[in-house]
Parts: sequence; structure tokens; C-alpha cells
Amino acid sequence: EIVLTQSPATLSLSPGERATLYCRASQSVYSYLAWFQQKPGQSPRLLIYDASNRATGIPARFSGSGSGTDFTLTISSLEPEDFAVYYCQQRYNWPPWTFGQGTKVEMK
Amino acid sequence: EVQLVQSGGVVIQPGGSLRLSCAASGFTFSAYWMHWVRQAPGKGLEWVSRIDSDGGATSYADSVMGRFTISRDNAKSTLYLQMHSLSPDDTAVYYCIRDVTHAFDSWGQGTLVTVSS
Repeated sequence: EIVLTQSPATLSLSPGERATLYCRASQSVYSYLAWFQQKPGQSPRLLIYDASNRATGIPARFSGSGSGTDFTLTISSLEPEDFAVYYCQQRYNWPPWTFGQGTKVEMK
Repeated sequence: EVQLVQSGGVVIQPGGSLRLSCAASGFTFSAYWMHWVRQAPGKGLEWVSRIDSDGGATSYADSVMGRFTISRDNAKSTLYLQMHSLSPDDTAVYYCIRDVTHAFDSWGQGTLVTVSS
């Protein structure tokens, strides 16, 4: 089973600041990595698939990068609605499809 | 518009059984793999099960293997998760998800399953 480790656990930032979230895989997942956003009481929403492709309707301030074992989600300038929990997920080696433990982006 | 509408939440006693359903609309249901993912209160996301487009192949997490069964009725555009021998560890919000070739792109609203006496 591929283990995904996200860091940091919590990121405290202000609106307008840049957010950088990390996801490390226990073995290569090539580019088969996705990022999801989850707000309280809501279902997760797909942001990025295949490491760097924005899903339909996702603003350009969200970008993904990386391959192999190290991946990054960047939010270039935080909007108030971006404060949420973010999860990475791999689809290279399944089952199981695995998720990271999440990074909470909170308002400073 | 893709919609995945799940059945309502329920409280069930330990050892009990329950079937969740997820009604799909807005797309050709029979063309897509589907998954169930769960989230225990205050915790992260855990993949539970997957079924291929015609129901011929399924996969399960070790934590539910032998207790849960995923199925689908393509004529009714509905996904199911039959759960047996439920324990408090199964308490979670269960999400049904559409799998396109590149990602889990559409999620249902979630069904809260509470296992408690």
C-alpha cells in the first residue's frame, strides 16, 4: 500500500498570502496524484488531477506540480473561501486508492 | 449536470446490517467505475470499495473485506453498498464517487452512518 504523507498538518496564513502544501508518497506514483479541497460540512471537491491539471471550474490561483514521490499544491493568493482542508490522493497503485492525512489551511 | 444523490443518514446497532444507495443522474452511469469513500468524524478520507462499469469486478479495503458488498443497477443508475457486522469503527460519512479515467471527479453529498447502541 502506498502511504501519502502531507505537510504541514496546519498552515496559518492571511488572505492574499501564498500557500504551499506538500505531499510525499512512500514510493513513486509517477504523475497519478490528485488534490481535493474539503470545507466543513461539505463533500470533497477535486482541484487537481494527474499532478498538475486543474479540474473543471477550478480557479487559476490553484496549481499543482511534482512527479514520482514529491508533490506540491500552491495557492498563489489566498481568497477567504480557500480556507479549508486539502487532501492528496494517489491512483497509481490500487487497490487501495490512498489519501494523505490532510493539511488544514486556517486563517491567521 | 452530474448528480449523485445518496440515501439518508441512519443510526444502527453494533452487529447490524445496512444498505446505502446512491442515485446517479446527468451522465451515462453504466460507463463509469464507481467508488465508496468514508470519513470518520473529525478524521481523514478512507477509500472503501470500487466497482467497474458493468459490475463484473470489485475491490475492497482490508477493513471492510468480507463484511461489505458493493453493487450497482445500471438500469436504475444506482450504486449500492451493503454493510454487515457493523461496529462503532464503521461510524462515518460515506460518499459515493464517480471515477473518470483521471480522477474521482464527482462526489455525492454523503450519508452519515452511526453505529451505536
